[in-house]
Amino acid sequence: GENVEQHPSTLSVQEGDSAVIKCTYSDSASNYFPWYKQELGKGPQLIIDIRSNVGEKKDQRIAVTLNKTAKHFSLHITETQPEDSAVYFCAASKNAGNMLTFGGGTRLMVKP
Amino acid sequence: KAGVTQTPRYLIKTRGQQVTLSCSPISGHRSVSWYQQTPGQGLQFLFEYFSETQRNKGNFPGRFSGRQFSNSRSEMNVSTLELGDSALYLCASSLGLAGSRGTQYFGPGTRLTVL
Repeated sequence: GENVEQHPSTLSVQEGDSAVIKCTYSDSASNYFPWYKQELGKGPQLIIDIRSNVGEKKDQRIAVTLNKTAKHFSLHITETQPEDSAVYFCAASKNAGNMLTFGGGTRLMVKP
Repeated sequence: KAGVTQTPRYLIKTRGQQVTLSCSPISGHRSVSWYQQTPGQGLQFLFEYFSETQRNKGNFPGRFSGRQFSNSRSEMNVSTLELGDSALYLCASSLGLAGSRGTQYFGPGTRLTVL
């Protein structure tokens, strides 16, 4: 089955700096890659997703890049703010509506 | 539009008991998936329902079961509870099964503690 690895497990940055989280996946049939943000006591919130026919996608301060050949994808957050502090999860699936396989999560801390 | 709702939010049970968790998807969403979140194993897929049919099941023992009703609401049941079943149980809903209709939105979860 699919295996998703996520690095780093914790990331501390200064407010205003950029943060990058990387994930690799094992199943070349995977073609949908969402990113979720989970705050304490809440469920995961979708922040951005990308499909395999696209190499990069941006939404304001958030961007995701996908390298299908290398089977890795990354989340980039620019101009980080304290409210960006949370746990971020990457995931992969063969189709948006299919079961998601999650990475282990990255705890991002943005210091004011 | 209201998001995914899960009840109850917190639950305490003892070993050997059974428990039923409920999930109401976003209005108009027909697909519901369940995930278990623990500090040790992370987020793991339990099962997925669409139009009252189970389409996929994760690698969990038969003590874990679920169902979906005609109004798309879903329940999951865990029988003969074990200490290791303590976890946050998350429900996610989507409009459909593919493309942009398959984007999954999560509820706040039910925190189950087994004593």
